[in-house]
Amino acid sequence: GNSVTQMEGPVTLSEEAFLTINCTYTATGYPSLFWYVQYPGEGLQLLLKATKADDKGSNKGFEATYRKETTSFHLEKGSVQVSDSAVYFCALRQGGSEKLVFGKGTKLTVNP
Amino acid sequence: GAGVSQSPSNKVTEKGKDVELRCDPISGHTALYWYRQSLGQGLEFLIYFQGNSAPDKSGLPSDRFSAERTGGSVSTLTIQRTQQEDSAVYLCASSLGLQSKEQYFGPGTRLTVT
Repeated sequence: GNSVTQMEGPVTLSEEAFLTINCTYTATGYPSLFWYVQYPGEGLQLLLKATKADDKGSNKGFEATYRKETTSFHLEKGSVQVSDSAVYFCALRQGGSEKLVFGKGTKLTVNP
Repeated sequence: GAGVSQSPSNKVTEKGKDVELRCDPISGHTALYWYRQSLGQGLEFLIYFQGNSAPDKSGLPSDRFSAERTGGSVSTLTIQRTQQEDSAVYLCASSLGLQSKEQYFGPGTRLTVT
């Protein structure tokens, strides 16, 4: 079945550090890929998405590129801020299905 | 505008009792989704509605779980004879339609079964 594996946290960085959160997936065909973010005390929010191979999703300085050859969708940001502290979830949606399949989440803490 | 709302925000119940969790989607959103977020299993899909019908109930963990949606709006997730393993945060999401439409999530209901 479809599954998403993301790096286990927690991840702790200093402000302005470079961030990478790895995400790989298993799916048939060509799923759509997503990163969701859950800030403390808030609901899940869509951060970025990509719907086909080699697409790059970007938002708020975060980027992720859909790599079919490595079945990956790693999240990156060049310079993190304290306000980026949150839990990040990688997810996929298989074509023809409505359900999102999530990774376990990675908690990021950014210290000033 | 108003986002997805869920009630109650927290619910503590005794093992064996029934509970009802409510979701109010964003006005005009035709699709509604239920997910569960637990420490052991992460975020899992439970069921989704298009209008009042539920084409995919594959994520409901047992026949103690059921959901309905009326008037194409409010949805209720019911758990009968609750067990301790049902303790989790239950998340609701809605979207304008299916497939490419973004799912907007509510704040969740934290259920604790004692």
